[in-house]
Amino acid sequence: DADVTQTPRNRITKTGKRIMLECSQTKGHDRMYWYRQDPGLGLRLIYYSFDVKDINKGEISDGYSVSRQAQAKFSLSLESAIPNQTALYFCATSDTTYYEQYFGPGTRLTVT
Amino acid sequence: AQSVTQLDSQVPVFEEAPVELRCNYSSSVSVYLFWYVQYPNQGLQLLLKYLSGSTLVKGINGFEAEFNKSQTSFHLRKPSVHISDTAEYFCAVRKTSYDKVIFGPGTSLSVIP
Repeated sequence: DADVTQTPRNRITKTGKRIMLECSQTKGHDRMYWYRQDPGLGLRLIYYSFDVKDINKGEISDGYSVSRQAQAKFSLSLESAIPNQTALYFCATSDTTYYEQYFGPGTRLTVT
Repeated sequence: AQSVTQLDSQVPVFEEAPVELRCNYSSSVSVYLFWYVQYPNQGLQLLLKYLSGSTLVKGINGFEAEFNKSQTSFHLRKPSVHISDTAEYFCAVRKTSYDKVIFGPGTSLSVIP
């Protein structure tokens, strides 16, 4: 089984809808991340969490919110989706020493 | 602000030819360096990493990278590529005193039969 799982894998939604992307991990890591990937821009950090009570904004947090329900679960929400949030979203975990990242398979989100 | 530059957005190369993917970063302090690979329709996975010690680092699938502190570079190389190496490659950097990893924009490697 995969160490980091994401659901759904693909989602099409309409402008203005609320959507939640979920991430679960079995690596036992305290640190979890949400990234967005757009062609030519690489990965940009949306939010990160160093433990259940520690959540931090990344470089592009506007329009997004997160919830860390447990050490193993980290959800990303789009309260009111807009078309420029169409992208590939990755969840990742890391160790606490070097921050080597372990990625989920990604969620392809399309906002029409 | 810390930044990572991957000078080539796309690199086409013939099968069995050598390849070098370039990565430069902006930092004058100690860093940890990573290369990740993303195969089509998959997440990213670690290819290799430099944490300390020898500046030549070997990774999976025959890839290696060399850390050059004076040139702030961490170029990825493979002496002979295969079709299966077609993927997106990302360089990533973390300052030892910083709590985030910064990713470069990626280089798309296409191996031509």
